[in-house]
Amino acid sequence: KAGVTQTPRYLIKTRGQQVTLSCSPISGHRSVSWYQQTPGQGLQFLFEYFSETQRNKGNFPGRFSGRQFSNSRSEMNVSTLELGDSALYLCASSWARGGGFRTYEQYFGPGTRLTVT
Amino acid sequence: AQSVTQLDSHVSVSEGTPVLLRCNYSSSYSPSLFWYVQHPNKGLQLLLKYTSAATLVKGINGFEAEFKKSETSFHLTKPSAHMSDAAEYFCVVSSGGKLIFGQGTTLQVKP
Repeated sequence: KAGVTQTPRYLIKTRGQQVTLSCSPISGHRSVSWYQQTPGQGLQFLFEYFSETQRNKGNFPGRFSGRQFSNSRSEMNVSTLELGDSALYLCASSWARGGGFRTYEQYFGPGTRLTVT
Repeated sequence: AQSVTQLDSHVSVSEGTPVLLRCNYSSSYSPSLFWYVQHPNKGLQLLLKYTSAATLVKGINGFEAEFKKSETSFHLTKPSAHMSDAAEYFCVVSSGGKLIFGQGTTLQVKP
């Protein structure tokens, strides 16, 4: 079974631009979560989508947004890029259903390395 | 609020010797805990998970972890380190549908 795929793997953008990252979950997984990884802040939760609805959100500004399509693929958008947005963005998928989040595990993709100059 | 604290930012062992990576958690109820590993320039791989079924959890690649409620700990161990174990390890707690990560422990394995 294919794992979580993310495109592109590497991206260089200029401050003020916007960027869209894509994530294809494991077949059958309906939950997709996004995380930001930086050397200073570590791994931080951005948001989670389930059945095309944002179900959970972390503490990030509104410049960070996402969406999920009917085939469970997800995109993440960052507008008005700042230097501090340079990070590895990781997508994870899960079997998680409509309730009882506590015991599900997430499977991660390889990430998209975003560099903002 | 739930959280995890990894007690060592860097651990160095010799190949063939035991590995111990320490993690303490904070939770107001029985937590779901995980250990993930990240090799350089790679995504995160699930090593093992605890979901209250058994306190000693066995994972992949010979790793295991023991949940100790009295000590609020979930330490990761392996009897014999291999060079391929060199990586970043994250202790993680699941909270309300999201994963909360520790700061990570870098495991160095010396030949």
